[in-house]
Amino acid sequence: AQTVTQSQPEMSVQEAETVTLSCTYDTSESNYYLFWYKQPPSRQMILVIRQEAYKQQNATENRFSVNFQKAAKSFSLKISDSQLGDTAMYFCALYMNRDDKIIFGKGTRLHILP
Amino acid sequence: EPEVTQTPSHQVTQMGQEVILRCVPISNHLYFYWYRQILGQKVEFLVSFYNNEISEKSEIFDDQFSVERPDGSNFTLKIRSTKLEDSAMYFCAPRRASSKNIQYFGAGTRLSVL
Repeated sequence: AQTVTQSQPEMSVQEAETVTLSCTYDTSESNYYLFWYKQPPSRQMILVIRQEAYKQQNATENRFSVNFQKAAKSFSLKISDSQLGDTAMYFCALYMNRDDKIIFGKGTRLHILP
Repeated sequence: EPEVTQTPSHQVTQMGQEVILRCVPISNHLYFYWYRQILGQKVEFLVSFYNNEISEKSEIFDDQFSVERPDGSNFTLKIRSTKLEDSAMYFCAPRRASSKNIQYFGAGTRLSVL
């Protein structure tokens, strides 16, 4: 069965610092995609970044970047120069073409402190 | 700009009542997905819908649930007889045919069953 594990339930960092959120996953598929979603207090799900499994290059979106280690099935999110607006729940997610659905981890609650 | 609008944003209902949650895509989406998030828990897949048929459904999606696209635009999730445990955020996530894996989440509908 496919699983997504986020081992950090909650984290706090000072504004402007860099923070890394961990995620591991398990799948036997070779063709899949990984995502990080942000869920602020409004509870809307916002796509932060995505990574195609067949691409070796780590995805980057402005201050957000990932460290994709395919062999280790690890997909961490790095937020640089963190801002107060980054305070939210962050969900790591896995999508496989075969299943055509997204599987989410339990989330990491991130607090950016002023 | 969001790809989808969900209405209502918050629905309060009595146990045993029927509710209909609506999803209005902005762009030309052919694939639709519903996800549920019970407060404090992870997001779970409910059902996927394509070409006026259910493609896949989870074990959560029992006979109390149904989906349809009545007018070719709106996409609805109906819960026939709500239970207390149906209280959750419900997210609609349509996908364009050209985008194999990107599902654009709506802002969600918070369902409160009393």
